[in-house]
Amino acid sequence: EPEVTQTPSHQVTQMGQEVILRCVPISNHLYFYWYRQILGQKVEFLVSFYNNEISEKSEIFDDQFSVERPDGSNFTLKIRSTKLEDSAMYFCASSERRSFSNQPQHFGDGTRLSIL
Amino acid sequence: RKEVEQDPGPFNVPEGATVAFNCTYSNSASQSFFWYRQDCRKEPKLLMSVYSSGNEDGRFTAQLNRASQYISLLIRDSKLSDSATYLCVVNPLPGNTGKLIFGQGTTLQVKP
Repeated sequence: EPEVTQTPSHQVTQMGQEVILRCVPISNHLYFYWYRQILGQKVEFLVSFYNNEISEKSEIFDDQFSVERPDGSNFTLKIRSTKLEDSAMYFCASSERRSFSNQPQHFGDGTRLSIL
Repeated sequence: RKEVEQDPGPFNVPEGATVAFNCTYSNSASQSFFWYRQDCRKEPKLLMSVYSSGNEDGRFTAQLNRASQYISLLIRDSKLSDSATYLCVVNPLPGNTGKLIFGQGTTLQVKP
C-alpha cells in the first residue's frame, strides 16, 4: 500500500537554528498538509498546499514557517529561528482530493523535533 | 465550545466487551467526518469515514447525527489490539482547503 514517508524520524536542534522537515506524499495525491502534535496534546493543523501554493494556514503558521514543493515528489516544512515551544511531532499528510468530499488524508509517521 | 470535543477517558474494558465513544462538533456546516486511531507516539491512521446514514466496518460502527452535531464509534468484541487513542476528526467547512480539526482523543485500554 502506498504511504507518506517523512525524514528524518527525529531531529535535535539548538534553539535559534533552522530546520527542514521532509515529506514524500503518495504519488497520485494532489493536496498536501502539515500538522503538529505537542506531547500530550491534540493534533493541530498548520498548513494546506495545492497547486504549488498555500491554500490555508493556521495562526500557528506564522512568518517563522514556510513550505515548499521543490520538485515533483518532495514537500518540505522549514522552521526558521526555532524556539523551545516548536518541540513537537510534525506530521505530513496527503490526499487525492479535498477532505470535504470525505476523501481521507493519509499521514506519514512523523518527525519528532526536539529543540534544546 | 471546543471545535471537536471528546471524552478523554481512559476507557478500561475487558476483552470481548462492547465500547462506545462519543464526539461533538461545534460547526454545523461541517461536511466530512472521520475516526482515526493513534497508537502511542505514532501517526494518526484512518479507521473509517463517517457517513450520514451510518456505516459499519467489521466490528466497528460509526454514526452521525447532524441535528445534534454528534458522532459516535461503537467497537464490538474488543481485542487487546484495539488499545489505542481514538481521534474524532472533522472537516469544518464546505469547500475549504481540507483542513482537519482533531479532537483530543479518547483512550481505550482493553484488558485480558
